[in-house]
Amino acid sequence: SQQGEEDPQALSIQEGENATMNCSYKTSINNLQWYRQNSGRGLVHLILIRSNEREKHSGRLRVTLDTSKKSSSLLITASRAADTASYFCATGRGAQKLVFGQGTRLTINP
Amino acid sequence: DGGITQSPKYLFRKEGQNVTLSCEQNLNHDAMYWYRQDPGQGLRLIYYSQIVNDFQKGDIAEGYSVSREKKESFPLTVTSAQKNPTAFYLCASSGSANTGELFFGEGSRLTVL
Repeated sequence: SQQGEEDPQALSIQEGENATMNCSYKTSINNLQWYRQNSGRGLVHLILIRSNEREKHSGRLRVTLDTSKKSSSLLITASRAADTASYFCATGRGAQKLVFGQGTRLTINP
Repeated sequence: DGGITQSPKYLFRKEGQNVTLSCEQNLNHDAMYWYRQDPGQGLRLIYYSQIVNDFQKGDIAEGYSVSREKKESFPLTVTSAQKNPTAFYLCASSGSANTGELFFGEGSRLTVL
């Protein structure tokens, strides 16, 4: 069952620009997480936002959560070539119920 | 360094053969997971284990089997009953079922010839 759906499916921007990705989900959640995956590699956890939080920052990352709209956004500021990757949102009630979306493929052009 | 080790990274199999993918973690995590990823797709849960000697089916368990005899190890067997086994397999672990943050291995790519 697919819970989170990312939008857009692919995003291409110039280095230095900001990148915004969105995630929508269907059922109530305890938390929402964002992961990054470089091509052919495992996923790396980026940030977790709890259902009672509205915004969270980590370095160049900003995540927002709107539980009334069942949506979240991930903003990467001042993008770098190394940010080129796929980004996934994951929602659930604890790790055993974590459900991943299909991801946004982000390309940063030099 | 602490982490999750998957092996082999690449594996080729003939139709009708069973193969076993290894997953070892030294993070002292109780919970471990196997996911399957197809090209351009998200992750789908195959099996998970919250404690030694116990495991539960995920969304796509048919054609797969697992064991959890040790806390550190959670091997996945792709059996000949799995109709479309060619995929990228990811193992993960979690130290807290409540927070849900997963730590992933580097994956194993299985190709059926």
